[in-house]
Amino acid sequence: GAGVSQSPSNKVTEKGKDVELRCDPISGHTALYWYRQRLGQGLEFLIYFQGNSAPDKSGLPSDRFSAERTGESVSTLTIQRTQQEDSAVYLCASSFVGYNEQFFGPGTRLTVL
Amino acid sequence: AQKVTQAQTEISVVEKEDVTLDCVYETRDTTYYLFWYKQPPSGELVFLIRRNSFDEQNEISGRYSWNFQKSTSSFNFTITASQVVDSAVYFCALSELGSQGNLIFGKGTKLSVKP
Repeated sequence: GAGVSQSPSNKVTEKGKDVELRCDPISGHTALYWYRQRLGQGLEFLIYFQGNSAPDKSGLPSDRFSAERTGESVSTLTIQRTQQEDSAVYLCASSFVGYNEQFFGPGTRLTVL
Repeated sequence: AQKVTQAQTEISVVEKEDVTLDCVYETRDTTYYLFWYKQPPSGELVFLIRRNSFDEQNEISGRYSWNFQKSTSSFNFTITASQVVDSAVYFCALSELGSQGNLIFGKGTKLSVKP
């Protein structure tokens, strides 16, 4: 079956602009996670959805970051007024339920000029 | 506080050598899960294994094996008879029971296998 998909694969934007990143999880997966991976670093947790509620937003680095999810389907991560330090690969993962293995998408590489 | 340490930043071996990637974790929970993921040059993370804290049995899958030792808070990963296709960044990760599944990742170990 289809894996986790993310779009766009690459995004170049200017400082101060807003960006929206999209994630389509594996069908039937109730848990959805967003992570950020800076160059040469491990992954940092951003936010977790169970269904369309977000019980854990603890990883969002600032109020410029927000995310929403429609039912148990698509999620969008929005970054407002982007800064150069937001440049990273943003990875989405889904799992059947929490604590199970997470399946990752290919990521969106964001470059803020 | 929870933490995962992968002390080896980069490892380079010659094909057919065995190699062990170290992972040490910190947690206050008694129930937790440990994972290994592989990130090849293409960038997409590939799940390798999940272990819960109550299962200390070592696991072998083909050329891959994992050694979980609670006494030393370690979950090491060994590749036997390494191959060029094993070249990737390998991440160890921890998920605590109270975290609802989000993963705490180590910084990764970059493995280069040369022919």
